[in-house]
Amino acid sequence: EAQVTQNPRYLITVTGKKLTVTCSQNMNHEYMSWYRQDPGLGLRQIYYSMNVEVTDKGDVPEGYKVSRKEKRNFPLILESPSPNQTSLYFCASRGRTDTQYFGPGTRLTVL
Amino acid sequence: QKEVEQDPGPLSVPEGAIVSLNCTYSNSAFQYFMWYRQYSRKGPELLMYTYSSGNKEDGRFTAQVDKSSKYISLFIRDSQPSDSATYLCAMSLSFSGGYNKLIFGAGTRLAVHP
Repeated sequence: EAQVTQNPRYLITVTGKKLTVTCSQNMNHEYMSWYRQDPGLGLRQIYYSMNVEVTDKGDVPEGYKVSRKEKRNFPLILESPSPNQTSLYFCASRGRTDTQYFGPGTRLTVL
Repeated sequence: QKEVEQDPGPLSVPEGAIVSLNCTYSNSAFQYFMWYRQYSRKGPELLMYTYSSGNKEDGRFTAQVDKSSKYISLFIRDSQPSDSATYLCAMSLSFSGGYNKLIFGAGTRLAVHP
């Protein structure tokens, strides 16, 4: 089954404790993105990747890092999380069309 | 001003009603227009995709694009309780190198009650 998987689905952490949210897709897609979703603000792009070792900032990259060492994986790293990064995070992948496939989401709470 | 404006609702309608969801946008460079549906605790999924002005129909769903007015709509006929979800409009912007960026509206929460 074609899918995007994310882990963990729920995470509660404390300010300053480094964390990684993993993302994996099995569709051999070149393009992958990370979004955060906040009430009233919709989906905002954090980082995107056009291919292995090619990443670029989206609209709200501050406080986040990504890497794309393999085509299928695109982890999101928060080196020093802060409460304003409490949000619902989605990983997405896309092939050569505009059809974007989203993961199930990771709900992050930073205390 | 946001590039894409969408009324967050919530919108509550009785089963069988015709639902109209709308977005306006400011950037005339947007090329593709999409509607995503997002159920509670799930990721968004693509519902409708259109490129040109006019209507596109798929079952009970009709997507309408008016590029001259920078306005897109999604109509749901004979709405069902299973249509209860958040609907996000999205628009595609092309960049050099072949990358298309999606800009999303804030989403409209729809509740269809029996």
